[in-house]
Amino acid sequence: DAGVTQSPTHLIKTRGQQVTLRCSPKSGHDTVSWYQQALGQGPQFIFQYYEEEERQRGNFPDRFSGHQFPNYSSELNVNALLLGDSALYLCASSKKGSYYEQYFGPGTRLTVT
Amino acid sequence: AQKVTQAQTEISVVEKEDVTLDCVYETRDTTYYLFWYKQPPSGELVFLIRRNSFDEQNEISGRYSWNFQKSTSSFNFTITASQVVDSAVYFCALSAVNSGYSTLTFGKGTMLLVSP
Repeated sequence: DAGVTQSPTHLIKTRGQQVTLRCSPKSGHDTVSWYQQALGQGPQFIFQYYEEEERQRGNFPDRFSGHQFPNYSSELNVNALLLGDSALYLCASSKKGSYYEQYFGPGTRLTVT
Repeated sequence: AQKVTQAQTEISVVEKEDVTLDCVYETRDTTYYLFWYKQPPSGELVFLIRRNSFDEQNEISGRYSWNFQKSTSSFNFTITASQVVDSAVYFCALSAVNSGYSTLTFGKGTMLLVSP
């Protein structure tokens, strides 16, 4: 049973560019959440998708957007990259109603230069 | 608003010592879950333990145990007989249930260094 997968593993972008990160949830899960973890900090909630709609959003600017596909996989898009967007981006999947089961992927490390 | 505070930034112990990681939380919700996650250098968050707000019974699972006290809003985590492989960053997290959708609020983490 495959767990949560994320791609790519590492990414280097230039300030001002746009980036897309991808996540495939654990089998049987229908909800995907994205978190940003800056160096030395705890993960911060960006947003959550269920039934292809954004259901919850954290305190992140509109430069951060997402999408969920019919197969429950998800993308995180960040426009107009800033140096401060450099972080580990974690995807977590869960099943709606299972309030305590969130499984995390290995993350994508984004470096903005 | 919810908040999780892990006052210990870094803890260093020698193998076989017991170590307790502290966590204090704030929430206005009456129903919530508390978690501990481990993050090794690889970066992936590994789930360790979970407790819901209605169950203050403290338990032991192998070398792990936890002390949940609603009166002080604390959820401390203890590793007994620590091992070098326990070296990692440990995060305490709080899950609120909002209209059927849960999200996690994390503390800043405690780095545990276990030396041989």
